[in-house]
Amino acid sequence: GAGVSQSPSNKVTEKGKDVELRCDPISGHTALYWYRQSLGQGLEFLIYFQGNSAPDKSGLPSDRFSAERTGGSVSTLTIQRTQQEDSAVYLCASRVQDISGNTIYFGEGSWLTVV
Amino acid sequence: AQSVTQLGSHVSVSEGALVLLRCNYSSSVPPYLFWYVQYPNQGLQLLLKYTTGATLVKGINGFEAEFKKSETSFHLTKPSAHMSDAAEYFCAVSGRNTGFQKLVFGTGTRLLVSP
Repeated sequence: GAGVSQSPSNKVTEKGKDVELRCDPISGHTALYWYRQSLGQGLEFLIYFQGNSAPDKSGLPSDRFSAERTGGSVSTLTIQRTQQEDSAVYLCASRVQDISGNTIYFGEGSWLTVV
Repeated sequence: AQSVTQLGSHVSVSEGALVLLRCNYSSSVPPYLFWYVQYPNQGLQLLLKYTTGATLVKGINGFEAEFKKSETSFHLTKPSAHMSDAAEYFCAVSGRNTGFQKLVFGTGTRLLVSP
């Protein structure tokens, strides 16, 4: 696709429910990232995929958070038993390697509200 | 490990005035350096990046940044602010010695432009 696509763009869920957030990276991008942006906070790294494997998942805040990537393309971030502190914007990004260096492109984000 | 410090969570300028947003990094090896902009309710857009070569980097919308190794800085400037520049700006770094992996972001600086 033309850009990184994320869905849903907005999600309101009840505390304790599970949610899935989807990311469709730019075609051909080998690396995929998930970040979290909480109100008034900076951007917090969650996990990084190279192909289908995740060499760095050090940012996942708890075992309620998991992510997978299939076919070297689409990725899903799953949050189980959501808590109010999970409310944030979840940003996905993907990377291409071009002649001028490495550039990461971000999607518009999935806004998650836990009530 | 790399880290980024952005001085000033808010910067206010008048339209037509110089914009200066400060970014300092901490890394044993000069990293890749980036500036991203985030407009309200949108994702992140790359303004400019430094990977190698010329230390003065020009980006979109009239912004530029200069990599100064001696000062471990990568400050963002624009000679004349426009109302449309009002947004949040993030400085980010990525490791060079271990190869490009994830981006580490600063906490962001909100630019306010008054008429």
